[in-house]
Parts: sequence; C-alpha cells; structure tokens
Amino acid sequence: GAVVSQHPSRVICKSGTSVKIECRSLDFQATTMFWYRQFPKQSLMLMATSNEGSKATYEQGVEKDKFLINHASLTLSTLTVTSAHPEDSSFYICSAIPGGSYNEQFFGPGTRLTVL
Amino acid sequence: AQRVTQPEKLLSVFKGAPVELKCNYSYSGSPELFWYVQYSRQRLQLLLRHISRESIKGFTADLNKGETSFHLKKPFAQEEDSAMYYCALGTGTASKLTFGTGTRLQVTL
Repeated sequence: GAVVSQHPSRVICKSGTSVKIECRSLDFQATTMFWYRQFPKQSLMLMATSNEGSKATYEQGVEKDKFLINHASLTLSTLTVTSAHPEDSSFYICSAIPGGSYNEQFFGPGTRLTVL
Repeated sequence: AQRVTQPEKLLSVFKGAPVELKCNYSYSGSPELFWYVQYSRQRLQLLLRHISRESIKGFTADLNKGETSFHLKKPFAQEEDSAMYYCALGTGTASKLTFGTGTRLQVTL
C-alpha cells in the first residue's frame, strides 16, 4: 500500500526558533499533499494544501508566513514553523494522494511539536 | 461552509452487540463521505467511502442525503474494532477533507 512518512516524529524546541517537518511519500508520487494540525482530544484541522511546483493554498485563519510549506518534489513536502511559540505546540499530520487513487488520502504518523 | 458532526465522543458496547457510529454533515454541494479509523498507536487510515458502497471489516455506511447522514454500522462488534473513528467530508476538486471530532469505540467483553 501507499506509505507516507514524517520526520521527525517528535521535536522539542525553544520559543523563537524555527522547526522543519518533512513529509515523504515512500512508494508513490504525490502531486498533492495536505498538512493538518490536531490539538489534544480534538479533530484534525486542515491547515494547507501543498501542490508540487506551486504555492501552497492555506485555509482561512492559517498564517502563511508562520507556517511555510515547500513541495519541491513529487515525494517531499516540508512544513516549517517559523519563530515558534508555545501555542504552536501541537500534533502535525501530513497526508498525500497517489495519482489515480480517486482522492484517497494516505496519512503520515504525525509529528509532535513541543515549544518551550 | 461545510461541517461534520459526530455527536458521541465515546461509544461503549459489548462484544457481539450491534454498533452504530453517527455522522451528520452540512454541505451545499455534492458530498463525498469517508470513514477513517485510527487504531491505538497507529496512523489514520481509510475504512470506507460512500462511493464504493462496500463492506470493510464488517462495517457499512449508507449516505442518506435527505437526512444528511453517513452513519457507520456493524451488526456484531469485535474487540479489535476498538479504535477512534472519524467521519470526513470531501469537497471540491481539491480533495480537501473536513473531519468530524471523532468517536472512540470501546468494545468490551
């Protein structure tokens, strides 16, 4: 089946620093990837749609300068949380759609970000 | 704007009992409905979608446009069904998903 990985699985950083999270499709090419955020005991909230070779599309209320997304290849999308603050602490999950999958999204295992 | 409602945070049933996880949606266009499942310490994975009209692991879900519902059902619950279940609504050509808040299903002996 289609496998999506994320790195790192867990990261702790100091307030004011930037953190990069990678999302990779291991055995397929993905022109579209998605980034979600999940707060404890809450649902997944879509942050942005990452399109290979073009700018990401952000959902309403998500700061594009705060959450930088780069989708430079068909197998890699990165999310950079810039100048992180404690309120950015959350679980970040990516997903990817293989070509011809009729819109089925395959999810990564998530990255736990803790900002001190 | 689209919305997905899962009214129950926790559903506890005995093994062998029927299960129904409720999902209602709000969307002005033509909806695409999904059920995703997350087992303990595993990633989110697709359980079934309305368009395929299939049964997966004994689960079925029928899209009722009149009631704007997509309830997930299984006639006889098994222990291994214990997990977090999310109903999701797909909209537009961008394949974006709007998730409900999830229902934790707990199957006990």
